[in-house]
Amino acid sequence: AQSVTQLGSHVSVSEGALVLLRCNYSSSVPPYLFWYVQYPNQGLQLLLKYTTGATLVKGINGFEAEFKKSETSFHLTKPSAHMSDAAEYFCAVSETLSGGYQKVTFGIGTKLQVIP
Amino acid sequence: NAGVMQNPRHLVRRRGQEARLRCSPMKGHSHVYWYRQLPEEGLKFMVYLQKENIIDESGMPKERFSAEFPKEGPSILRIQQVVRGDSAAYFCASSPPQGRSDTQYFGPGTRLTVL
Repeated sequence: AQSVTQLGSHVSVSEGALVLLRCNYSSSVPPYLFWYVQYPNQGLQLLLKYTTGATLVKGINGFEAEFKKSETSFHLTKPSAHMSDAAEYFCAVSETLSGGYQKVTFGIGTKLQVIP
Repeated sequence: NAGVMQNPRHLVRRRGQEARLRCSPMKGHSHVYWYRQLPEEGLKFMVYLQKENIIDESGMPKERFSAEFPKEGPSILRIQQVVRGDSAAYFCASSPPQGRSDTQYFGPGTRLTVL
């Protein structure tokens, strides 16, 4: 069974500061990893994903994440926070089950607050 | 290319009534997933459907909840005899046919409030 742990349900950063949102996963097979962002009263928008290949993945809005197999981590970073980054961020892991479909497991989410 | 569409966006029901949530997947997508997000929690998988077939319903409560994805029309998540604990945001996601994508695309959700 796969699982995702997001450390810190709430993170506050100053505008212009580094954003670091932590995610650790467990999976019995090579994982596909995702970060989604959710703005208030909206659905989830894909920020970035790792499937295979380069372990440093760049996404939208200046975010990136690095897959570290040895640490089973997929932390999300952004060099300089912007007010518009305030949202909730979900890390997710998926595995391919028999029948070929992707079963996705989400973390509980991290709410990012950006302080002016 | 329209994204995943869900309606209604907000639904209010009294205890004991039925709730019907609709999801139209992206064009060309034949796989639909339903998730529930309870307050202050992450998304929990409920059910995965393909056209006319339920593939995995391991996350669905055993009673009162059902889902379908008919040959024509949207996918429907049906909750009978709603209780206050059913109040949540319900999200639908879709993906292309098997093997063509590893990503699920989410709709805006339906926020169900049970009075």
